[in-house]
This record gives sequence, structure tokens and C-alpha cells, in this order.
Amino acid sequence: GAVVSQHPSRVICKSGTSVKIECRSLDFQATTMFWYRQFPKKSLMLMATSNEGSKATYEQGVEKDKFLINHASLTLSTLTVTSAHPEDSSFYICSANDNANYGYTFGSGTRLTVV
Amino acid sequence: SQKIEQNSEALNIQEGKTATLTCNYTNYSPAYLQWYRQDPGRGPVFLLLIRENEKEKRKERLKVTFDTTLKQSLFHITASQPADSATYLCARDNAGNMLTFGGGTRLMVKP
Repeated sequence: GAVVSQHPSRVICKSGTSVKIECRSLDFQATTMFWYRQFPKKSLMLMATSNEGSKATYEQGVEKDKFLINHASLTLSTLTVTSAHPEDSSFYICSANDNANYGYTFGSGTRLTVV
Repeated sequence: SQKIEQNSEALNIQEGKTATLTCNYTNYSPAYLQWYRQDPGRGPVFLLLIRENEKEKRKERLKVTFDTTLKQSLFHITASQPADSATYLCARDNAGNMLTFGGGTRLMVKP
């Protein structure tokens, strides 16, 4: 079945630094990937849609300069949290659809802690 | 606004019983609804999709229904087991193939 690999699974960074999260589709090509954010005991909130070869589409209220998305190939999308602050601490999850199956495949998530 | 809601934040049942989770939507008629399982610290895992023209879909011990009159989907786990304990999320489609998730229901199956 479709597999989406997300790295790192956990990262702790200092306030003011930037963190890059990678999302790879291992056995299929994904022209579109999605980035979600999840707070403890809350549901997934869509942050942005990553489009291969073009600009990402951000949801209302999500700062595009804060959360940089790059989708340079059909198998890789990256999310960079720039100048991270403690309030950016959260669980970030990516997903993609291989268009062969009906459901979406999610990465295992990245727990970001900003200290 | 278009909403998708899961009424119960948590559901506790005894092993062997049937768990029934509810997902309601308003101001929108989704072409399909999806159900996912999420374990703590992990990404969601796809379980079932049901289309608007389907009344019911089954997969092993799982059953999903879609009632467009009530604007509701029910998710059933029969003969529940402690290993079924997790958070279950329903999601609806949007333009651009993205998903909007309900708040999730934490299911706890007690032995």
C-alpha cells in the first residue's frame, strides 16, 4: 500500500531557530501533499496544501512566511518552521493521496518542541 | 459555515460490545465521508470511505453508514477489543481534494 514517510519524528529546538520537516511519498508520486497541525487532544487542522512545482495554498490564518513549504519533486514536500517560538510547539502531520486508493495516507507525524 | 462534528469526545465500552460513533455534518453535502483511526503520537490511518450514494459499507468488524437525510454517518465496531482503543476521526471532502476533520472520539474498550 501507499506509504508516506515523515522525518524527523521528534525535534527540540531553541526559540528563534528554524526547523525543517520532510514528507516523502515512498511508492507513489504525489502532485499534492497536505500539511496539518494538531494540538493535544484536538483534531487535525489543515495548514496548507503543497503543490508540486508551484506555490503552496495556505489556509486562512496560517502565516506563509512563518511556515515555508517547498514541493520541489513529486515525492518530497518540506515544511520549514522559521524563527520558531514556543507557541509553534505542536504535532505536525503530512498526508498525500496516491489516487489508486480512496483514503489518504498520513505520515507518522513530527512532534516539535520549541524551548 | 460548513461543519463536521463528532458528538462524543470520549466513549467507554466493555470488550465484546459494539461501539457506535457518530459524525454529523451541516451546511454541506459531501460527496463522501472517510473514517480514520489515530493512535497517540501517530498519524491517522485510513479505515473506510463511504460515498453519498452508498447506505452502508463494511470491512471485517467495521461498518459505516451514511444517511444524507439525517446528514450523519455512523461508525460501528462489532465485538470490540481492547486493541480497538484509539481516537477515531471522521473527515469530509472539500474542493481541492483536501479533508476537513471532525474533532474525533476517543474510544476506550475495557477488558
